[in-house]
Amino acid sequence: RKEVEQDPGPFNVPEGATVAFNCTYSNSASQSFFWYRQDCRKEPKLLMSVYSSGNEDGRFTAQLNRASQYISLLIRDSKLSDSATYLCVVNLSSNSGYALNFGKGTSLLVTP
Amino acid sequence: DAGITQSPRHKVTETGTPVTLRCHQTENHRYMYWYRQDPGHGLRLIHYSYGVKDTDKGEVSDGYSVSRSKTEDFLLTLESATSSQTSVYFCAISARDYEQYFGPGTRLTVT
Repeated sequence: RKEVEQDPGPFNVPEGATVAFNCTYSNSASQSFFWYRQDCRKEPKLLMSVYSSGNEDGRFTAQLNRASQYISLLIRDSKLSDSATYLCVVNLSSNSGYALNFGKGTSLLVTP
Repeated sequence: DAGITQSPRHKVTETGTPVTLRCHQTENHRYMYWYRQDPGHGLRLIHYSYGVKDTDKGEVSDGYSVSRSKTEDFLLTLESATSSQTSVYFCAISARDYEQYFGPGTRLTVT
């Protein structure tokens, strides 16, 4: 079983729509959670960390449910520039430095 | 953007030849990582380093070796390249936590 599971999509939404991505992780001992964004043929870039209490950064809201081992990302008022692949990321085991475990990503296409 | 460069950015090589990829950072971060990204697999950890001359294996380390003789440089070597090592290789750095910043990647094709 893959440690971090995401719906691969693609999600096709019109500009201005709200879209939500979900992710589950298998290691209950995981402590750190992130969403990264990756544009086509580019490197992943940190979008936001995910905190237990939930956190918001502009149009983006991240939620964590430790009991269900579930992470979500909500994007409000989608822009064309939001089109990208969104990677759900969880820390790897505690004895791997600060290495990360990546989901395969969810593809988002925002259309005019 | 974090100061991370990778070289070469693109390389085509033949099966059986040695290949070395370089990652260079100007952030003086302690931790450095090599990942590979393949369709259907996402990013997978190859090796990582937690200091000069301190390295350890990741989940897909077979066929790869690394070296870190200076804080700023982390080298990934394929001793004898195989077609299964055709991939996009990303270097990443972190200070002392899980927030990682990635280099632009190296596209390697082994023919």
